[in-house]
Amino acid sequence: QSALTQPRSVSGSPGQSVTISCTGTSSDVGGYNYVSWYQQHPGKAPKLMIYDVSKRPSGVPDRFSGSKSGNTASLTISGLQAEDEADYYCCSYAGSYTPVVFGGGTKLTVL
Amino acid sequence: QLQLQESGSGLVKPSQTLSLTCAVSGGSISSGGYSWSWIRQPPGKGLEWIGYIYHSGSTYYNPSLKSRVTISVDRSKNQFSLKLSSVTAADTAVYYCARGSGERFFDYWGQGTLVTVSS
Repeated sequence: QSALTQPRSVSGSPGQSVTISCTGTSSDVGGYNYVSWYQQHPGKAPKLMIYDVSKRPSGVPDRFSGSKSGNTASLTISGLQAEDEADYYCCSYAGSYTPVVFGGGTKLTVL
Repeated sequence: QLQLQESGSGLVKPSQTLSLTCAVSGGSISSGGYSWSWIRQPPGKGLEWIGYIYHSGSTYYNPSLKSRVTISVDRSKNQFSLKLSSVTAADTAVYYCARGSGERFFDYWGQGTLVTVSS
């Protein structure tokens, strides 16, 4: 059982928007602005897409955005493209005892 | 461009010790402000953080693995290593090394290496 809860799967058609949620507690997601999101294509290493809740690394399209409300963080992908089909993982700082916790992952299907 | 490359045994017998090394190129492992992590992914499952070491040598481990894990750094070779003792089939996974910006996020990852625990 993962520390952060994500939906197992989401789907959308090309051009649409989808949102993936990541629910934690006040000890992780709700307590710090250190939520990050990773995209993973089959057989590949994860790629950083969002950090510090809503910041985008250089090279990540602005179709990807992040936000947080209370103990739930969200990743929104607008203008869905075929290449966005992948697994997405959220991650949060969770304090000095268990610094890093991941979500269980969400499979995004582009219909 | 920073690059990380994992290496080590791909097959480990139960009860033995898994050993992996991550070679860092394109930057110094001694650079301040970064952590150097090991993260694993069992086949068909999600990511699990194992632990990390700071440039200072301080280490932080996942409490669920802490009794079996050691992460160390070799600055002369610009690499860091993972040892996981008393392995079982549940430790079968793709093991990734990654650079972290402290504990905020992981921005560079190795390609991953599959370690199978089997007799």
